[in-house]
Amino acid sequence: QVQLQQWGAGLLKPSETLSLTCAVYGGSFSGYYWSWIRQPPGKGLEWIGEINHSGSTNYNPSLKSRVTISVDTSKNQFSLKLSSVTAADTAVYYCAREVRGVIIYYYYYYMDVWGKGTTVTVSS
Amino acid sequence: SSELTQDPAVSVALGQTVRITCQGDSLRSYYASWYQQKPGQAPVLVIYGKNNRPSGIPDRFSGSSSGNTASLTITGAQAEDEADYYCNSRDSSGNHLAVFGGGTKLTVL
Repeated sequence: QVQLQQWGAGLLKPSETLSLTCAVYGGSFSGYYWSWIRQPPGKGLEWIGEINHSGSTNYNPSLKSRVTISVDTSKNQFSLKLSSVTAADTAVYYCAREVRGVIIYYYYYYMDVWGKGTTVTVSS
Repeated sequence: SSELTQDPAVSVALGQTVRITCQGDSLRSYYASWYQQKPGQAPVLVIYGKNNRPSGIPDRFSGSSSGNTASLTITGAQAEDEADYYCNSRDSSGNHLAVFGGGTKLTVL
């Protein structure tokens, strides 16, 4: 049973850098993409970006200039850094495992395992 | 297009059937996945692929797709199904980035 355990600083001041890490336990790390998603208070889910075991990344264009996602395959961990945070970055941040493929010209994509979430508050 | 559109709120009487929809151009080539989120909890995958349920998800949850619209159907809604539901797919505009719908708040009356 794959489990994701995430951690990181929960209180930041404006202009600081958010830093979170997600560790993967009980399953394969390679062969998947790994995502970060966030949810501002009272709002919906927003995909931040993803990385695979080789370090290949994709980012949400709206956050791309401030986001870095990295991987440490020796520890089965991946990390999120978001620079120059403001109050608008206050949210619960989740890590998740992605599954993707294709069946007869139709693609499938889903996130089947999620971390419990980390609440990050940006306040002066 | 990078957008997935959901109705903000839907209600259903206890024991009745409800359909939650998700519209987007990418759904012409991607199956949507669906997530249930209850207050204070992480999202939980309830439907993926053409119409697949992860282990532990009741069979009253089902999925379907037609054209640019994906649907999540709950047949015989229970009180515990009251939650926010999100659809998810990849953007088909070229970069194939992940995208979520805005979410649907389901109220079971």
